[in-house]
Amino acid sequence: AQSVSQHNHHVILSEAASLELGCNYSYGGTVNLFWYVQYPGQHLQLLLKYFSGDPLVKGIKGFEAEFIKSKFSFNLRKPSVQWSDTAEYFCAVNARGNNRLAFGKGNQVVVIP
Amino acid sequence: EAGVAQSPRYKIIEKRQSVAFWCNPISGHATLYWYQQILGQGPKLLIQFQNNGVVDDSQLPKDRFSAERLKGVDSTLKIQPAKLEDSAVYLCASSKELAEPYNEQFFGPGTRLTVL
Repeated sequence: AQSVSQHNHHVILSEAASLELGCNYSYGGTVNLFWYVQYPGQHLQLLLKYFSGDPLVKGIKGFEAEFIKSKFSFNLRKPSVQWSDTAEYFCAVNARGNNRLAFGKGNQVVVIP
Repeated sequence: EAGVAQSPRYKIIEKRQSVAFWCNPISGHATLYWYQQILGQGPKLLIQFQNNGVVDDSQLPKDRFSAERLKGVDSTLKIQPAKLEDSAVYLCASSKELAEPYNEQFFGPGTRLTVL
């Protein structure tokens, strides 16, 4: 079964700082990769996804993620964060052909105005 | 388009009591999921339905947890009897028919269960 690792559970940074959240997964086969975000008081929602093709994917609100197959990684980045990016971010993976998502433990990101 | 609805939003019970959660998926979504999210962890899939049939319940603790989706629409998740370690947020999600490469899952607001 696939598993997902996220480090640095709590991240605090100032507005305009750059953000990078690491995600590593363990699974030998073909996978789909996702980042979900949960803003305070809101539902989990999809931020971006990777299925195939260009390993650099762009999502909503200026976020992007890069799939590095050799490192089993799918790191999330944003060059300049805003206060409204305060949220919890989850990396998730599923094996191709199986809709079961395996989530990481999440990163709690707080952006200070 | 209405989202995934869940009720109740909060529930507090004592251990050994029973509890049930309800989920109404997005209209037309054939696939429904129940997740358990313990504080400090990511969601963990408990059970997945395709219409009213179970696709995956390998991570459902069947000695105390049960779920049904009788008419292929609404679903209920039950815990009987509850234990302290069942304290968590229970998330319901839905997606369209299972398809390659993947169908986006839409999540509800969750039910926060506290077992005392």
